[in-house]
Amino acid sequence: QKEVEQDPGPLSVPEGAIVSLNCTYSNSAFQYFMWYRQYSRKGPELLMYTYSSGNKEDGRFTAQVDKSSKYISLFIRDSQPSDSATYLCASRGSQGNLIFGKGTKLSVKP
Amino acid sequence: DAEITQSPRHKITETGRQVTLACHQTWNHNNMFWYRQDLGHGLRLIHYSYGVQDTNKGEVSDGYSVSRSNTEDLPLTLESAASSQTSVYFCASSEYVGDPYEQYFGPGTRLTVT
Repeated sequence: QKEVEQDPGPLSVPEGAIVSLNCTYSNSAFQYFMWYRQYSRKGPELLMYTYSSGNKEDGRFTAQVDKSSKYISLFIRDSQPSDSATYLCASRGSQGNLIFGKGTKLSVKP
Repeated sequence: DAEITQSPRHKITETGRQVTLACHQTWNHNNMFWYRQDLGHGLRLIHYSYGVQDTNKGEVSDGYSVSRSNTEDLPLTLESAASSQTSVYFCASSEYVGDPYEQYFGPGTRLTVT
């Protein structure tokens, strides 16, 4: 079992929709959780990170961690075509490396 | 502006050949990483380094090697390329081993082994 699991999609939504992207993780020791965004043929870029449980909001994006269920979520409000990308969840491993989910490909249609 | 670059961006090679992919960063970051990205597997860590002369194996290190002779560069060598190593390779660097923990990724190298 991979330590961070993510449904690869693809996910297609109309412009303006609320998008929910989700991951689960298996290692209870994980404390730091990140969301990276990767546009086609580009390297990933950090979108948001959270520590332990709770919510973090940045504009139209909200990251949520529920440690009791080992669940990581990213919500995108008022989605735009420019949000079309692959979204990767990640957690920091014990040696400081990042452990990524497989990524969910999102398409926002005008 | 500081950046991380990879070269070449595209490479086609034959089975059995030695291939070296270059990674160069100008942030003066101590930490550098190599990942490969494949459909169905996502990003997987190959090797990483926390400083000059330091190298560590990642999840999928077999058939790959790295060396770190200076802060800016971490070249990735495929000793004898295999078709299973056809992939997109990303180099990344970061400032902190601690927190917050952001890795900056290069644009990737698309490698095809025929």
